[in-house]
Amino acid sequence: AQSVTQPDIHITVSEGASLELRCNYSYGATPYLFWYVQSPGQGLQLLLKYFSGDTLVQGIKGFEAEFKRSQSSFNLRKPSVHWSDAAEYFCAVAPRGGGADGLTFGKGTHLIIQP
Amino acid sequence: DAGVIQSPRHEVTEMGQEVTLRCKPISGHNSLFWYRQTMMRGLELLIYFNNNVPIDDSGMPEDRFSAKMPNASFSTLKIQPSEPRDSAVYFCASSYRTGEAFFGQGTRLTVV
Repeated sequence: AQSVTQPDIHITVSEGASLELRCNYSYGATPYLFWYVQSPGQGLQLLLKYFSGDTLVQGIKGFEAEFKRSQSSFNLRKPSVHWSDAAEYFCAVAPRGGGADGLTFGKGTHLIIQP
Repeated sequence: DAGVIQSPRHEVTEMGQEVTLRCKPISGHNSLFWYRQTMMRGLELLIYFNNNVPIDDSGMPEDRFSAKMPNASFSTLKIQPSEPRDSAVYFCASSYRTGEAFFGQGTRLTVV
């Protein structure tokens, strides 16, 4: 069965510092990959997605993610975080060629930004 | 488009009462999903519809939970009778084929 692991439950980063959130997946074949962000009291918003092609994908709000097939990873990065980036971040996978009906989410990483 | 619209945003009810959550998906989307989010269990898929037909309800926790999608622009999730352990945030999401789901802002349910 497919699974998504986000090994860091909480991460604290200073404002202006770089960020990397880890995501590993277990899947029979390379799935579609997503990162979502959830601000307090809000729904999930799509940051970026990987379907095929260039393994480095750019998203909204200055985020990027790199797909590494050999490591079954899809880590999220940002070169310089802002206080407004404090939120919960979810990695998700869906079967290639399938729809969102196969979306599997990780448990999430809570990002704390310190001044 | 206004995005996925859920109502109410907050619901407080007494144990044993019926609760109905509502969702209007994005126009043109053909799949709709109901998720539940709790601290303990994270995001759980309860049920999803494709072209208004329920495809997989294996995530529905008990018979107390039911969901309907009478047409392409409306869905309900009903809990009857409600219990305190049903307290959670319930999200509706919709998509069109691409594997990318768009979420509503959620309904925070508190059962006392």
